[in-house]
Amino acid sequence: EAQVTQNPRYLITVTGKKLTVTCSQNMNHEYMSWYRQDPGLGLRQIYYSMNVEVTDKGDVPEGYKVSRKEKRNFPLILESPSPNQTSLYFCASSLTGMNTEAFFGQGTRLTVV
Amino acid sequence: GENVEQHPSTLSVQEGDSAVIKCTYSDSASNYFPWYKQELGKRPQLIIDIRSNVGEKKDQRIAVTLNKTAKHFSLHITETQPEDSAVYFCAGQTGANNLFFGTGTRLTVIP
Repeated sequence: EAQVTQNPRYLITVTGKKLTVTCSQNMNHEYMSWYRQDPGLGLRQIYYSMNVEVTDKGDVPEGYKVSRKEKRNFPLILESPSPNQTSLYFCASSLTGMNTEAFFGQGTRLTVV
Repeated sequence: GENVEQHPSTLSVQEGDSAVIKCTYSDSASNYFPWYKQELGKRPQLIIDIRSNVGEKKDQRIAVTLNKTAKHFSLHITETQPEDSAVYFCAGQTGANNLFFGTGTRLTVIP
């Protein structure tokens, strides 16, 4: 089954404790991205990747890191989480970055206390 | 970059009535406009999209219209059903640049 898989689904952590949210897709998509969803703000892009070893900042990259060592995986790293990073996070992939459907993961609800 | 504004933020309709959600965009070079539906607790999923060389597109009860001159596009849902209740997001994209999403519309269909 074609899908984008994120883990974990739910995470509660403390300020400053490094964490990684994993994202994997099995559709051989070139383009992958991370969004955060906050009430009243919609979906805002954090980082994106056009292909392996090619990553770039989205609209709200501060406090986040990503890597794309393999085509299928695109982990999101929070080196020192803060409470303002409490949010619902979605990973998405698409065949290319241009005019193609974005497939979203199930979401990760992160709470930083 | 692109800026997409979406209205209304909430919309309630009676079952069987039509619902219209409107979005405007700022970048006249934007050429791809998808709509995503997000049911409660679920991931966003594409329901329809339109490209700038087309003025209207239909898929059963849903349709999208695009006015490039005015830089706005709309989602129309006819004969609404309770299962249409969800949050709907519009988005705009310019070439190979990123998707910019609107802030969402929570649609409630009242049985």
